[in-house]
Amino acid sequence: DGGITQSPKYLFRKEGQNVTLSCEQNLNHDAMYWYRQDPGQGLRLIYYSQIVNDFQKGDIAEGYSVSREKKESFPLTVTSAQKNPTAFYLCASGGRFNYGYTFGSGTRLTVV
Amino acid sequence: GESVGLHLPTLSVQEGDNSIINCAYSNSASDYFIWYKQESGKGPQFIIDIRSNMDKRQGQRVTVLLNKTVKHLSLQIAATQPGDSAVYFCAEPNQAGTALIFGKGTTLSVSS
Repeated sequence: DGGITQSPKYLFRKEGQNVTLSCEQNLNHDAMYWYRQDPGQGLRLIYYSQIVNDFQKGDIAEGYSVSREKKESFPLTVTSAQKNPTAFYLCASGGRFNYGYTFGSGTRLTVV
Repeated sequence: GESVGLHLPTLSVQEGDNSIINCAYSNSASDYFIWYKQESGKGPQFIIDIRSNMDKRQGQRVTVLLNKTVKHLSLQIAATQPGDSAVYFCAEPNQAGTALIFGKGTTLSVSS
């Protein structure tokens, strides 16, 4: 089945550590996106990539980094510079300029 | 500027009632809107979209209405069912058209 997979589902991080969230899709979508969701805040755009080897900052990119070396993969690293990383992270994919995104099931990151 | 918001954070209805979820936007140049449904612990799913050259669009049990004069759109769900309980987001493309910007969401609770 085609889809988008995020792993792990739950992730715990100690303060000062970097962690990487995985996002893989087999939908042959060109574009991929990372959103952060906090209670009552909706979804906020972190980074997005419309093509391999290219990505752009979203509204809240500080403290995060991404790579897009393969069409299928768009990992997100939450660095120690992110002051409040505890949140639900959602990855999505779609065709370029096609807004019917397919979302993954999310990764819940907790800083302990 | 770009912002998509919702009037009410929560809405409670009885099973069988019709539900109306509202969304206001600020950018009068916005020409495309989309509604997503997010069930607990899952990623959002596409429900329905509408372009600015339309006032109304119907899907299965859902209708989206767009009032460009007052920059308001709504999602109507007919004969609401317990399975409709979720968070509903309206969204629109950013100015560059490269990614979606989401509102804060309305939590719909359906009691039987």
